[in-house]
Amino acid sequence: DQQVKQNSPSLSVQEGRISILNCDYTNSMFDYFLWYKKYPAEGPTFLISISSIKDKNEDGRFTVFLNKSAKHLSLHIVPSQPGDSAVYFCAASVDFPGTYKYIFGTGTRLKVLA
Amino acid sequence: ETGVTQSPTHLIKTRGQQVTLRCSSQSGHNTVSWYQQALGQGPQFIFQYYREEENGRGNFPPRFSGLQFPNYSSELNVNALELDDSALYLCASSLASGGGAKNIQYFGAGTRLSVL
Repeated sequence: DQQVKQNSPSLSVQEGRISILNCDYTNSMFDYFLWYKKYPAEGPTFLISISSIKDKNEDGRFTVFLNKSAKHLSLHIVPSQPGDSAVYFCAASVDFPGTYKYIFGTGTRLKVLA
Repeated sequence: ETGVTQSPTHLIKTRGQQVTLRCSSQSGHNTVSWYQQALGQGPQFIFQYYREEENGRGNFPPRFSGLQFPNYSSELNVNALELDDSALYLCASSLASGGGAKNIQYFGAGTRLSVL
């Protein structure tokens, strides 16, 4: 039962354009959402997060949008740069109970073309 | 401030053997979580340790066990290795065991385990 889904395994975008990565979830108990970026041979690097009580969070070129009614979040990268090429994972945090675990999607491989 | 470090980087074992993976948490972090990432999948939660006690476990059998030490470093032990245990094992540390912005989990580079 995949509670967090990233339906696009890969995405290619021209340098300077917007990259939009999408994530859907099924569990309404998730209270915090995160995006991680992963380069080959490295661990996931925290990128940006959003609480379930908000609908938008922005950090520089990165913006995360949360639509709770649709159980959907997205990551916008503007403008996209070649160094953004990586695998992006969305994750949802849930009280397990008593401990918070992250449930990850399967990832989207972003390729930014120069 | 040092980040999360894991050792070894790579490991090859045969079916039935036992393995121990190690993790040093980020400075100031008292909570360590372990995840298994199979090829083409996202990381899956194995368990979490908070102040040397197991604080939650995912859907993994008892042959996956762990320890946390007084300096908050941690070990993941897997007994009776199976071929399906081949994966990247990731350790993440956080300030405490709660959720939200205060306790974001920061990951190490992982240990790649191959079981032959």
